[in-house]
Amino acid sequence: AQSVTQPDIHITVSEGASLELRCNYSYGATPYLFWYVQSPGQGLQLLLKYFSGDTLVQGIKGFEAEFKRSQSSFNLRKPSVHWSDAAEYFCAVGGYSGGYQKVTFGIGTKLQVIP
Amino acid sequence: DTEVTQTPKHLVMGMTNKKSLKCEQHMGHRAMYWYKQKAKKPPELMFVYSYEKLSINESVPSRFSPECPNSSLLNLHLHALQPEDSALYLCASSQDPGAPRKFFGPGTRLTVL
Repeated sequence: AQSVTQPDIHITVSEGASLELRCNYSYGATPYLFWYVQSPGQGLQLLLKYFSGDTLVQGIKGFEAEFKRSQSSFNLRKPSVHWSDAAEYFCAVGGYSGGYQKVTFGIGTKLQVIP
Repeated sequence: DTEVTQTPKHLVMGMTNKKSLKCEQHMGHRAMYWYKQKAKKPPELMFVYSYEKLSINESVPSRFSPECPNSSLLNLHLHALQPEDSALYLCASSQDPGAPRKFFGPGTRLTVL
């Protein structure tokens, strides 16, 4: 069975500081990996995805993530956080199950940005 | 058009009401999904439609009744809901059931009184 662990439920950073959100996954084969962002009361916006190839993935809004197979990790990073980045961030893993691509989400990390 | 739209944005209903949520996509996707998201929790899969046929029902109570009238539309009919059914209901689509990337709609915020 596939699973995702986001060890940090809540992170607070100062505006302009760097950010790293941690994600570890469990899946038997090469996974599809995603980071989504959700503002309060809104739907999910895809920040970036990893399917194959270059293990450093660039996304929207200046985010990047690195796939490390040896550590089963897919951590999200941003060099300089903006106040508008305050939101909930979900890491997700996709894998084939029951005839379709099942997406399993982590519990989410809430990011607070202080001035 | 790379959008999934959902209506209404907000819905308040009583426990005896019947209402419907609507989801639409015009990307030619052949798989569509309903997710339920409670506050401070990740989305949980409810139903999967594959080529307009229901393929997955994640043990959802019968007071939730999905319908896929055509390849672009997905409805969720609600009847005799409970207050604990209050949540954000997200619709998603993918190119086909085997495609890993899901496109999510903005959601319908449902409150059951």
